[in-house]
Amino acid sequence: QQQVKQSPQSLIVQKGGISIINCAYENTAFDYFPWYQQFPGKGPALLIAIRPDVSEKKEGRFTISFNKSAKQFSLHIMDSQPGDSATYFCAATPSGNTPLVFGKGTRLSVIA
Amino acid sequence: EAGVTQSPTHLIKTRGQQATLRCSPISGHTSVYWYQQALGLGLQFLLWYDEGEERNRGNFPPRFSGRQFPNYSSELNVNALELEDSALYLCASSLRGLRAFFGQGTRLTVV
Repeated sequence: QQQVKQSPQSLIVQKGGISIINCAYENTAFDYFPWYQQFPGKGPALLIAIRPDVSEKKEGRFTISFNKSAKQFSLHIMDSQPGDSATYFCAATPSGNTPLVFGKGTRLSVIA
Repeated sequence: EAGVTQSPTHLIKTRGQQATLRCSPISGHTSVYWYQQALGLGLQFLLWYDEGEERNRGNFPPRFSGRQFPNYSSELNVNALELEDSALYLCASSLRGLRAFFGQGTRLTVV
C-alpha cells in the first residue's frame, strides 16, 4: 500500500501560535488530500481537503499548503487554541472511489 | 441528517471467539470503508464495500471479513479473535470516494 509519511509525531504549541504538520507522499496518482481531526474516544472528523490543482486552501484558521513538485502538503493552524488539542491525520487517495491512505497521525497539544 | 452510526460502542470478547461489528452509512452513501486503529498505529485500511460488493481489502488475514447489505449498511466479522485484534474499529462512508465521513467507532477488547 502506498504510504503517506506524516511529521512530527507530536507537537506542543503555545496558545495563539501556529501549528504546522507536514505530510509527504510517493504515489503521483494521488489526487485528493484531506486532513482529519480526532479527539479521544471519537471518530476522525473531516477538517479540510485540497486537490492538486491549487497550492493553498484556507478555511477559517486552518490552511492546507500543497507542493505538487515536492509531493508534500501541510496543515497550518493559525492562532492555535487549547480546543485544537487533538490528533491530526493527513490522508490521500487517487480520484474516484478508492480508500484513503492515512499518515500515522500527529498529536497536537496547545498549552495556555 | 444522521451521520455514520456504529454499533456496539464497546465490545469485549474472549480470545478465539467471533466479533460482529455493524455500520450504517450516511443516507445516500454507497461506499463503506472499515479501518482498524490500534494504539499508536494510525488508521489501517481493512475493507471497502461499494454497491454490495467487496472492492478491496487491506493487508489483513482472511479471518477479517464482512459484507454490505442492500440498504448499504455493513458488518465486519472477525473470527478466531486474537489479543492483538484489540483496537478501535472505524467505519466510514462516502459517495463516490471523496469526503469520507467516519463513525464514532467500536472499541473491541479481546481478553
